[in-house]
Amino acid sequence: GAVVSQHPSWVICKSGTSVKIECRSLDFQATTMFWYRQFPKQSLMLMATSNEGSKATYEQGVEKDKFLINHASLTLSTLTVTSAHPEDSSFYICSARPSGSRASYEQYFGPGTRLTVT
Amino acid sequence: EDQVTQSPEALRLQEGESSSLNCSYTVSGLRGLFWYRQDPGKGPEFLFTLYSAGEEKEKERLKATLTKKESFLHITAPKPEDSATYLCAVQGSGGSYIPTFGRGTSLIVHP
Repeated sequence: GAVVSQHPSWVICKSGTSVKIECRSLDFQATTMFWYRQFPKQSLMLMATSNEGSKATYEQGVEKDKFLINHASLTLSTLTVTSAHPEDSSFYICSARPSGSRASYEQYFGPGTRLTVT
Repeated sequence: EDQVTQSPEALRLQEGESSSLNCSYTVSGLRGLFWYRQDPGKGPEFLFTLYSAGEEKEKERLKATLTKKESFLHITAPKPEDSATYLCAVQGSGGSYIPTFGRGTSLIVHP
């Protein structure tokens, strides 16, 4: 149980184009999902918290107009990197927190998406 | 502000050489302490949740323990496949529902 998928697992795009990454909780509902970015050999950097049916909360320094997050259902959140530039190349990981009860503090991670902008 | 410090940053062990990873934390009202394993190029894999001091959980060669100030992840007779980065995170009750992560311990187990 508690499986989170991400699609695509890797993507290469040209500078100036937009890329959408999907995050799905496969066997549970998630009111809250998180989006992280991770640079090589560094820890997770939280980008934003996504709550179903409401606007995402972005961390300081993260451009909300560049990283568009939509959490349209209890099992799906999407991250769109708009007008991508080479510096946006990174490993993006989502996580989902099961709705309700004590277990709601746990979060389960997706396998990550490797984005390369050329 | 919740804080998590993991030590050591890196640890090299010989196969079968048991050891412990440390996660020291400060939090206002602990709602949960979490351990994850992350392999290169993959998302973190959930291992354990600990809720209160004195609690212990085990999974194969891993055992997690919790006190009011720190958690240990004990690795007994490790194998090369245990090589990974181990992440610790805490969730406090201070109003934010965002967990705080440590920087991780990179473990390498040599055959």
